[in-house]
Amino acid sequence: AQSVAQPEDQVNVAEGNPLTVKCTYSVSGNPYLFWYVQYPNRGLQFLLKYITGDNLVKGSYGFEAEFNKSQTSFHLKKPSALVSDSALYFCAVRDINYSGGYQKVTFGIGTKLQVIP
Amino acid sequence: DAGVTQSPTHLIKTRGQQVTLRCSPKSGHDTVSWYQQALGQGPQFIFQYYEEEERQRGNFPDRFSGHQFPNYSSELNVNALLLGDSALYLCASSEGTSGRRDTQYFGPGTRLTVL
Repeated sequence: AQSVAQPEDQVNVAEGNPLTVKCTYSVSGNPYLFWYVQYPNRGLQFLLKYITGDNLVKGSYGFEAEFNKSQTSFHLKKPSALVSDSALYFCAVRDINYSGGYQKVTFGIGTKLQVIP
Repeated sequence: DAGVTQSPTHLIKTRGQQVTLRCSPKSGHDTVSWYQQALGQGPQFIFQYYEEEERQRGNFPDRFSGHQFPNYSSELNVNALLLGDSALYLCASSEGTSGRRDTQYFGPGTRLTVL
């Protein structure tokens, strides 16, 4: 079984400061990892993904994430937070060894990011 | 290029009724997945359709069923509605070719309220 943990319900950061939203995962094989953002009353927007290769992945809106296999983590980061980054962030995982070749993506419960002006 | 679209936006039903939600995938996408997002929770996988067949299913009862049409659009049907079915229902589409199928693009969702 695969799972995702987002240990922080909410992260508060001052505008202009760096931000980190934490994610750890558990899969039986190698992971595909994703970050999505959700604004109020909206669907999820894709930010970035890790499949293979460089452990530092760059995505939309200046976000990046660092894959750490030994710590089974995939933390989302941004060097300088904007008030408009305030939203709900979801980490998700898929086990690439899942039989049948079809996706089953497991999401975390989400972390609310609040950027304070 | 239209993204994933869902209809209706909002829906109110009473217990025991049946509901049908609709999804049109992003242009060029042939795989559709449905998720249930309860208030304060992450999306929970319901099932996935590819080539008009259900390919995977999450831990949802048989009251939840679906269909995919030749134009890749999809429907989610829920029978015998329960209060606990109240949630945001999200549709996600992806490309069928290997590798590209991994990134799912989500629609805005349908907010279902069961009274």
